[in-house]
Amino acid sequence: NAGVMQNPRHLVRRRGQEARLRCSPMKGHSHVYWYRQLPEEGLKFMVYLQKENIIDESGMPKERFSAEFPKEGPSILRIQQVVRGDSAAYFCASSPYRGPQPQHFGDGTRLSIL
Amino acid sequence: EDKVVQSPLSLVVHEGDTVTLNCSYEVTNFRSLLWYKQEKKAPTFLFMLTSSGIEKKSGRLSSILDKKELSSILNITATQTGDSAIYLCAVENSGGSNYKLTFGKGTLLTVNP
Repeated sequence: NAGVMQNPRHLVRRRGQEARLRCSPMKGHSHVYWYRQLPEEGLKFMVYLQKENIIDESGMPKERFSAEFPKEGPSILRIQQVVRGDSAAYFCASSPYRGPQPQHFGDGTRLSIL
Repeated sequence: EDKVVQSPLSLVVHEGDTVTLNCSYEVTNFRSLLWYKQEKKAPTFLFMLTSSGIEKKSGRLSSILDKKELSSILNITATQTGDSAIYLCAVENSGGSNYKLTFGKGTLLTVNP
């Protein structure tokens, strides 16, 4: 697909554990977006990051969720003390610069909470 | 709050049929409307529309935006089984410093042989 790499593809965690989802944007892309897709729901925006900066985190729950995009390495979406309701597909998208450019998506990480 | 509504939610057709998928939106600071195709994995980009009345085409797929009616349609002619997928419509909001996408719930298209 578009070349955005996400891992792991599937992640299983028990309630109370931490989940770390990684996203490497397409080459040359410095803007990263995270979305969550719940069953029967559309994709919901969570957070928009540039290198070392969180630009907009208005869609991210205030507690337990955090995101970063360091100078070196992938973007990380971190969920602490996971609960059953966190079970979803988490997609990362990237774009080369701020709009209007289409965002290209990775294959997603399917998070299951036992 | 920004809102995107797609219709129908699901559609079953036979190969060779033509389909029209609809998307309507309410968004502050509209920037663009995008169509994606989602099979098992990543949503793959189809079209980005910014100007009203200008049709974009890619093979058997075409799309057009109507800013007056706050809507867009995606047409697929001579459908094939490989067109079976969820088609997602999203609008881009350029308010402030962010360009987040607001998605509809999608239209599930099934093309039977």
